[in-house]
Amino acid sequence: DIQMTQSPSSLSASVGDRVTITCRASQSINRFLNWYQHKPGKAPKLLIYAASSLQSGVPSRFSGSGFGTDFTLTISSLQPEDSASYYCQLVYTMPVTFGGGTKVDIK
Amino acid sequence: VQLVQSGAEVKKPGESLRVSCKGSGYIFTNYWISWIRHMPGKGLEWMGRIYPSDSYTNYSRSFQGHVTFSVDKSINTAYLQWSSLKASDTATYYCARRLSGLNGMDVWGQGTTVIVSS
Repeated sequence: DIQMTQSPSSLSASVGDRVTITCRASQSINRFLNWYQHKPGKAPKLLIYAASSLQSGVPSRFSGSGFGTDFTLTISSLQPEDSASYYCQLVYTMPVTFGGGTKVDIK
Repeated sequence: VQLVQSGAEVKKPGESLRVSCKGSGYIFTNYWISWIRHMPGKGLEWMGRIYPSDSYTNYSRSFQGHVTFSVDKSINTAYLQWSSLKASDTATYYCARRLSGLNGMDVWGQGTTVIVSS
């Protein structure tokens, strides 16, 4: 199975900061990488699909980049409502795999 | 477009359970339905998926043999079933739809919390 390594596992940043989360795949997965936001008590929400395509309705401060094995989710200006856990997800082959998650707190 | 799941459950070890996920507002048979587990304090885990058109399934090795996916396409509903629950099945379970290829899971159910305790 392809392994996904997500980092960091947690971070704390101030409102307005630029935040970057990375995922690395153990082998090339082309662009088959999605990003989700998950808040306590809510269903996860798709932010980015195909590594860099913004899902409809998602604020433009969220962006994704990468190809092959290394991928990045960037929040250009952190907002209070962005406090959540974020997960990458590979959909290149079975099994679908989630990264370990990154918990983002607001200072 | 929405997926609506059945309500929270409290069960004893060894009991059986079936959780439902009803789709509406879209062609139910055109999208895979995945099941995702979220244990308290842990990350998201993909359990597997079912294609409502023909009931074709893929199971994660971690869940193969312990859960069963099924679908009743006449009522646009997918099911996640256990025949014998364990305390370690305590979690929130989500269903989510997805096309194949480069698409993400764009619509999720609200989640069903299952508590297994003696």
